[in-house]
Amino acid sequence: GAVVSQHPSRVICKSGTSVKIECRSLDFQATTMFWYRQFPKQSLMLMATSNEGSKATYEQGVEKDKFLINHASLTLSTLTVTSAHPEDSSFYICSVATGGVNQPQHFGDGTRLSIL
Amino acid sequence: GQQLNQSPQSMFIQEGEDVSMNCTSSSIFNTWLWYKQDPGEGPVLLIALYKAGELTSNGRLTAQFGITRKDSFLNISASIPSDVGIYFCAGQLRPWFGTGTRLTIIP
Repeated sequence: GAVVSQHPSRVICKSGTSVKIECRSLDFQATTMFWYRQFPKQSLMLMATSNEGSKATYEQGVEKDKFLINHASLTLSTLTVTSAHPEDSSFYICSVATGGVNQPQHFGDGTRLSIL
Repeated sequence: GQQLNQSPQSMFIQEGEDVSMNCTSSSIFNTWLWYKQDPGEGPVLLIALYKAGELTSNGRLTAQFGITRKDSFLNISASIPSDVGIYFCAGQLRPWFGTGTRLTIIP
C-alpha cells in the first residue's frame, strides 16, 4: 500500500494564527487525497476531498475559507487552518486513495492541533 | 450523509477471548473495509471486502461482507494485548467511517 507522511505530527499555537499541515504520498502519485478531522473518542469525519490541479470538494458544514486545501502536485496536499481558534483543536488526518472509489485508503499518522 | 453504526461501542475482555463486532449501514455499499486505530496514530487497514457474502481472514481476524450489502462483521480470535485499540468500519462509495468500537483487554 501507499506510504503517507504527515507533518507536523503535533502543533501548539496561539489563537488567531494560521497553521499549515502537509500530507505527502511517498511512493504513489495521488490524484486524490482526503482530509479528516477526529475529535476525542469520536470517529473520523471527512472534511474535504483534495483533487490534484483543481479545487477541493468540501463536505457540508466545512468552511472552505477556514480550511484551505492546496493539492499542487501528485505527491503533496496541504491543509491550512486559517485564523485558528480553540474549537479548531483536533486530530487532523489525511489519506491517499490508491485506486478508484472502491479501493482502500492509506492514512497518514495524523496531526494533533492544539490552539491555546 | 451516510450513517454507519458500529456495535458494540466498547468492549472489555480478557486476553484469549474471542471478539465480535459489527457495522450496519442505511445504504448499500460495494466495498467494506475494517481499520484499526492506535492512540495518536492514523487508521491502519485490516481487511477489505469487495463482494456480498465474502468471508476474508487476516491471521486471527475474520471479516464478512453481509448479503444485504448493508452490514459487515469483524471477529478477532484469541485476543492478545496488542489488539487493544479502536476498530472502525468504512464504506467506500464515499470514505465514510463507522462510529468505532473501542477494545480494551483486562489483565
